[in-house]
Amino acid sequence: EVQLLDSGGGLVQPGGSLRLSCAASGFAFNTYAMSWVRQAPRKGLEWVSAINARGDNTYYADSVKGRFTISRDNSKNTLYLQMNSLRADDTAVYYCAKDLRGSYSNWGQGTPVTVSS
Amino acid sequence: EIVLTQSPGTLSLSPGERATLSCRASQSISDNYLAWYQQKPGQAPRLLIYGASNRATGIPDRFSGSGSGTDFSLTISRLEPEDFALYYCQQYGSSPLFTFGPGTKVDIK
Repeated sequence: EVQLLDSGGGLVQPGGSLRLSCAASGFAFNTYAMSWVRQAPRKGLEWVSAINARGDNTYYADSVKGRFTISRDNSKNTLYLQMNSLRADDTAVYYCAKDLRGSYSNWGQGTPVTVSS
Repeated sequence: EIVLTQSPGTLSLSPGERATLSCRASQSISDNYLAWYQQKPGQAPRLLIYGASNRATGIPDRFSGSGSGTDFSLTISRLEPEDFALYYCQQYGSSPLFTFGPGTKVDIK
């Protein structure tokens, strides 16, 4: 069974940093692209970042480019999102998601991030 | 930049009725990289349809997707009580790399 376990969220002050993790199991992690998707309170879904299976190609939404860094450790079956210079509008539930031909076949349970002073 | 528009914003129907949800793209979506998701309160989204018309694993056959180019639809042939939820469409491949529509809420009439 595919499982994605998101963690690392919390309360952080504006300008602060957080690192999210997504522990994967139940599939060959090193053969799938992965993404982070977020959902602000009472809002829709927003793609944040994607990384290919090998980890040598990364992609970002304009809203996070230059502030967030996606990475993966295929030896640990783990996906990461380093978030720096956090702003109030980064407040959201962050989900990791497994790619299936451009769609997301599996999602983590989400980890909430709140940026507030 | 590609923009997805979903209509209607809210669809009020009764169990057993047919639901048709629309997703329109501001430019053509290549290779029909269009997906549909269902989301219930407090839960992560669940993939229903990928590649415009392919049901994901475990999805009942009352859910079907169709369309190409810029116009796509999700049809629920007979609404079950558990189908009342939010539905999002999503495209892949055009800048930005992934885009979601704003969602359609299907609620009980």
